[in-house]
Amino acid sequence: AQSVTQLDSQVPVFEEAPVELRCNYSSSVSVYLFWYVQYPNQGLQLLLKYLSGSTLVKGINGFEAEFNKSQTSFHLRKPSVHISDTAEYFCAVSRNSGNTPLVFGKGTRLSVIA
Amino acid sequence: ETGVTQSPTHLIKTRGQQVTLRCSSQSGHNTVSWYQQALGQGPQFIFQYYREEENGRGNFPPRFSGLQFPNYSSELNVNALELDDSALYLCASSPRTATNYGYTFGSGTRLTVV
Repeated sequence: AQSVTQLDSQVPVFEEAPVELRCNYSSSVSVYLFWYVQYPNQGLQLLLKYLSGSTLVKGINGFEAEFNKSQTSFHLRKPSVHISDTAEYFCAVSRNSGNTPLVFGKGTRLSVIA
Repeated sequence: ETGVTQSPTHLIKTRGQQVTLRCSSQSGHNTVSWYQQALGQGPQFIFQYYREEENGRGNFPPRFSGLQFPNYSSELNVNALELDDSALYLCASSPRTATNYGYTFGSGTRLTVV
């Protein structure tokens, strides 16, 4: 089975500062990795995903993430955040074969301070 | 191209009652998954439907059941509601059953059981 640990439940950061949201996963098989964002009272929106190939993945809204197999990590980064990035961010993992559901972490609340 | 739509957006039920939540999948998507997101938690997989058949199930009791219709829309039914069933229920659709095709999430139905 797969599991995800998001190491920070809340991350406050000043506007235009860089941010890193940390995600570690556990799996005995190869995986796909995802980051989703959830704005208040909304569903989940896919930011980016790692399926294979280059370990640096670029997503929407200026976010990127790096897959590190040896560290079993998939940290999300943005060089300069905006007020509009305030939201809940979820890391998710699934097996990389067949039909397997997403397993989510508990989420990290990013609060951007003006 | 319409996204995933869920109805109703909010509802309140009494313990012991039954509830039906509805989901219309994105155009061209034939697979629907349901997730439960309790307050302060990440989404948890309930089950998935593909071609009107249940195609995978998470750790939820049989009182959680579902249907998928020929037009790929779906229902989630919960019988004998318990207080712990209070959560945001998210529907996600995808064009295939394999995870790498990506899921599109709806905005969810907020269920409160009193």
